[in-house]
Amino acid sequence: DAGVIQSPRHEVTEMGQEVTLRCKPISGHNSLFWYRQTMMRGLELLIYFNNNVPIDDSGMPEDRFSAKMPNASFSTLKIQPSEPRDSAVYFCASGGDGGKLFFGSGTQLSVL
Amino acid sequence: KNEVEQSPQNLTAQEGEFITINCSYSVGISALHWLQQHPGGGIVSLFMLSSGKKKHGRLIATINIQEKHSSLHITASHPRDSAVYICAALTGTASKLTFGTGTRLQVTL
Repeated sequence: DAGVIQSPRHEVTEMGQEVTLRCKPISGHNSLFWYRQTMMRGLELLIYFNNNVPIDDSGMPEDRFSAKMPNASFSTLKIQPSEPRDSAVYFCASGGDGGKLFFGSGTQLSVL
Repeated sequence: KNEVEQSPQNLTAQEGEFITINCSYSVGISALHWLQQHPGGGIVSLFMLSSGKKKHGRLIATINIQEKHSSLHITASHPRDSAVYICAALTGTASKLTFGTGTRLQVTL
């Protein structure tokens, strides 16, 4: 398996633009997580899906953020409109029944 | 006060030294993860444990549920062990991870 695949690796955009981050979890994993990492706040959970259903989205900062998982092999995190304070590294991770997590390489987002 | 605290924040060691990184948590947990983040940014899960001790190569992780404390040990440290080590407490039924702030380890020759 290729592991958790995220795209793009880097995204530079201007304030106000829509940003879509993508994630392909490991096949067979039933849990998917979106995390954000900043220097100030470290790693934070944004949203957690189990069997494609959002279970906990309490970490989503505000209505500008939305996440979907239309099927077991794909998830998106969308920011609309983007703001400079959204600049961070966004990680997707998936996990199976054993609980161990596998992280994607992350998307480095810069909002100018 | 953070729910998950790590110490030290920064650690420099010489190659071959025995290293210990500590993690204390104040919440009830179902398990605790140790993660490694290399300078390139990628995150790797090293251990997930809910009791006792786990060993993988030169890495050993222990947890004491009663004392709400976990340690990550590295024996015979090597420069390639240089990374940020993060502990994360798994809480509740929603599989929510609460992260420590990380320990930046640098191992020199």
